[in-house]
Amino acid sequence: DAKTTQPNSMESNEEEPVHLPCNHSTISGTDYIHWYRQLPSQGPEYVIHGLTSNVNNRMASLAIAEDRKSSTLILHRATLRDAAVYYCILTPGNTPLVFGKGTRLSVIA
Amino acid sequence: DSGVTQTPKHLITATGQRVTLRCSPRSGDLSVYWYQQSLDQGLQFLIQYYNGEERAKGNILERFSAQQFPDLHSELNLSSLELGDSALYFCASSISGQGAMDTQYFGPGTRLTVL
Repeated sequence: DAKTTQPNSMESNEEEPVHLPCNHSTISGTDYIHWYRQLPSQGPEYVIHGLTSNVNNRMASLAIAEDRKSSTLILHRATLRDAAVYYCILTPGNTPLVFGKGTRLSVIA
Repeated sequence: DSGVTQTPKHLITATGQRVTLRCSPRSGDLSVYWYQQSLDQGLQFLIQYYNGEERAKGNILERFSAQQFPDLHSELNLSSLELGDSALYFCASSISGQGAMDTQYFGPGTRLTVL
């Protein structure tokens, strides 16, 4: 399985932008980059995904490096509700999600 | 609300017993996945069904089995339960169950406690 590396934890102040990094140096050309998050006591929740171009949706933005060996999930204004574990996952297709340990994001009021 | 429902929310049982967890996918989704989340192992994929057929198998024990019914709901059966089976069990669904773009939607989970 293609592997991703994320920091164990990050901290942000409320109302400030958060950049969550993910390294995936062994990514192959057909792997999509998916981000999910898991809020406390809830199931994982889809955030965003992309292949090569940067992507925006109502929840976040995904910036993908030109060589695709890294990506960054951007929360434009962190709220207390964004405190969660964020998982960066590569999806080669026809395979289930492989969750790593993710990044635990703390948001300080 | 993801649209995926799971019952029961909590389950407490004894070692050696058998339980059944139930999952109803989002309307229109044909694929169902089961995951186990324990403190020491994290989120692990167990098994996937697509339109009634088993599609992929992960770290599922032989004591565990699952099926997907014609109405697309799924059940995960856990038997000869051990203390180590205590965990959160999540069900997820997706439209096609294949393709790198397929997005999975997770239910709220069933918390199983084996005493």
